[in-house]
Amino acid sequence: GENVEQHPSTLSVQEGDSAVIKCTYSDSASNYFPWYKQELGKRPQLIIDIRSNVGEKKDQRIAVTLNKTAKHFSLHITETQPEDSAVYFCAASKPTSYDKVIFGPGTSLSVIP
Amino acid sequence: DVKVTQSSRYLVKRTGEKVFLECVQDMDHENMFWYRQDPGLGLRLIYFSYDVKMKEKGDIPEGYSVSREKKERFSLILESASTNQTSMYLCASRLRSSGIQHFGDGTRLSIL
Repeated sequence: GENVEQHPSTLSVQEGDSAVIKCTYSDSASNYFPWYKQELGKRPQLIIDIRSNVGEKKDQRIAVTLNKTAKHFSLHITETQPEDSAVYFCAASKPTSYDKVIFGPGTSLSVIP
Repeated sequence: DVKVTQSSRYLVKRTGEKVFLECVQDMDHENMFWYRQDPGLGLRLIYFSYDVKMKEKGDIPEGYSVSREKKERFSLILESASTNQTSMYLCASRLRSSGIQHFGDGTRLSIL
């Protein structure tokens, strides 16, 4: 079955710096890769996603890149702000509605003012 | 806006009890999921349902069962609660044509 690894498990950056979180997946049939942000005491919420027919996607300060050949994808946050502090989860899933979504173990990001 | 509602935010039960966690979504989503969240282990899938009365085991189904009698409701059942089932439980739903999961606020369950 699918396995998703995520690194680093914790990350501290100074406000204004960039943060990068990397994930790898094992099943080449996976074609949808979402990223979720979970603030302390709150529910995970989707912040950006990418499908396998696209190599990169941007939304303001957040971008995701996908390398299908190497089976890895990354989240990039530029100009980090204290409100970016949260746990970030990557995930992978296959095309059908009968397939489960597999999450990585999460990265705890701290942005130091 | 999609709303996924979990019946309790906090729940305390005793070992051996049968425990029901309820989840309701209001957007007619076909897929529903139950996850368990523990520090350092991320979100682990317990069970998911791709449609009414359909269920599939996730990665950690032992000690749990589920029920999906109506499309909007997905119940997680701890048949005989044990202390190692103390955890945060998250429910999610997903429209079949979309990959996006919508999560509830979670139930923090303590088994004493």
